[in-house]
Amino acid sequence: DAKTTQPTSMDCAEGRAANLPCNHSTISGNEYVYWYRQIHSQGPQYIIHGLKNNETNEMASLIITEDRKSSTLILPHATLRDTAVYYCIVSHGSSNTGKLIFGQGTTLQVKP
Amino acid sequence: DAGVTQSPTHLIKTRGQQVTLRCSPKSGHDTVSWYQQALGQGPQFIFQYYEEEERQRGNFPDRFSGHQFPNYSSELNVNALLLGDSALYLCASSLGPDRRWGYTFGSGTRLTVV
Repeated sequence: DAKTTQPTSMDCAEGRAANLPCNHSTISGNEYVYWYRQIHSQGPQYIIHGLKNNETNEMASLIITEDRKSSTLILPHATLRDTAVYYCIVSHGSSNTGKLIFGQGTTLQVKP
Repeated sequence: DAGVTQSPTHLIKTRGQQVTLRCSPKSGHDTVSWYQQALGQGPQFIFQYYEEEERQRGNFPDRFSGHQFPNYSSELNVNALLLGDSALYLCASSLGPDRRWGYTFGSGTRLTVV
């Protein structure tokens, strides 16, 4: 599985968009980009995933560059409840490859 | 809609003892994975169970073992506990071992070894 690089921490003002970058320069053609977040004292929560097209759901948007070497998770209107550690994970989407490899993630602090 | 349920929520054990942690997957899910999360670190994959068999295993010693029952629930057993086993143990469930649709995690069991 390809490795990812994320900033250690970021701040965002409440109500503004939070843009969390992730570099995955060694990603291969069949690897997906997954984003999870972990709020203090809880288990990780799945946010979104994508292969090469941009994706949007009720939680966030995922923008993947054309060369797929980096991506950005966008929380359009951050709230205090979005304060969490955000993990960018790159891995195969095929069967029987059950593990997720978590890095250190980005600690996002949303401030009033 | 019940999510992933883990029990107990907290546990204190003595070095050398054995411990069993339990996980009930989200309704409709049939695959369970276990992760260990040390303080300040990201979760680390222990193993995955599907169709009552261990399908994949991370870099953990044989002291860590598991089981999946016909109702898809799972247990994680750790023998001969070490101080370094103190961590948050997370259970994640999914529909099938393919994580294409994402995993649902429980809130974890906080194990303290003294």
